[in-house]
Amino acid sequence: AQSVSQHNHHVILSEAASLELGCNYSYGGTVNLFWYVQYPGQHLQLLLKYFSGDPLVKGIKGFEAEFIKSKFSFNLRKPSVQWSDTAEYFCAVIPSGGSYIPTFGRGTSLIVHP
Amino acid sequence: EADIYQTPRYLVIGTGKKITLECSQTMGHDKMYWYQQDPGMELHLIHYSYGVNSTEKGDLSSESTVSRIRTEHFPLTLESARPSHTSQYLCASSRGGPGNTIYFGEGSWLTVV
Repeated sequence: AQSVSQHNHHVILSEAASLELGCNYSYGGTVNLFWYVQYPGQHLQLLLKYFSGDPLVKGIKGFEAEFIKSKFSFNLRKPSVQWSDTAEYFCAVIPSGGSYIPTFGRGTSLIVHP
Repeated sequence: EADIYQTPRYLVIGTGKKITLECSQTMGHDKMYWYQQDPGMELHLIHYSYGVNSTEKGDLSSESTVSRIRTEHFPLTLESARPSHTSQYLCASSRGGPGNTIYFGEGSWLTVV
């Protein structure tokens, strides 16, 4: 079975700082990769996803992620964070074969100070 | 905006009580899921369904049961609640295929005393 590791559990930044959240997965085959975000008091929602093509994908609110197949990684980046980016961020993987069941990482709590 | 609804949002019940958490989606999605999430921890899949009359257990052992009699409805039932069941339960749905977005409900916070 696949697994997802998010190494940064808690990140605290000041506004305008750059952000990179790590995500590594373990699965030998083709995968589809996702980042979800949960703002305080809201439901989980899609930030961006990769399933084929350009390994650099852009999402909402200036976020982007790069799929590096050789490193089994899908790190999330934003060049300049805002206070409104304070949220929980979850990485997820769905294999392209088999049951198509998603596996989520533990999540990273991001706090951005104004 | 996702059209997936969970009720109740918050519930406190006594040990041994039976509880059903409701989940409905109006998007016509064939796949539905139940995840359990403790604060600061990963989402654990406890049940999923590929469609009507299809239900499977997830990776996390759970004493709950689910049913899928209608496409839009995927309730989760605990026959006898215990304090260890205290958690947040998230319902989600998606269309078939691995690249499709998963839509989540707002969650049901269950406390068993």
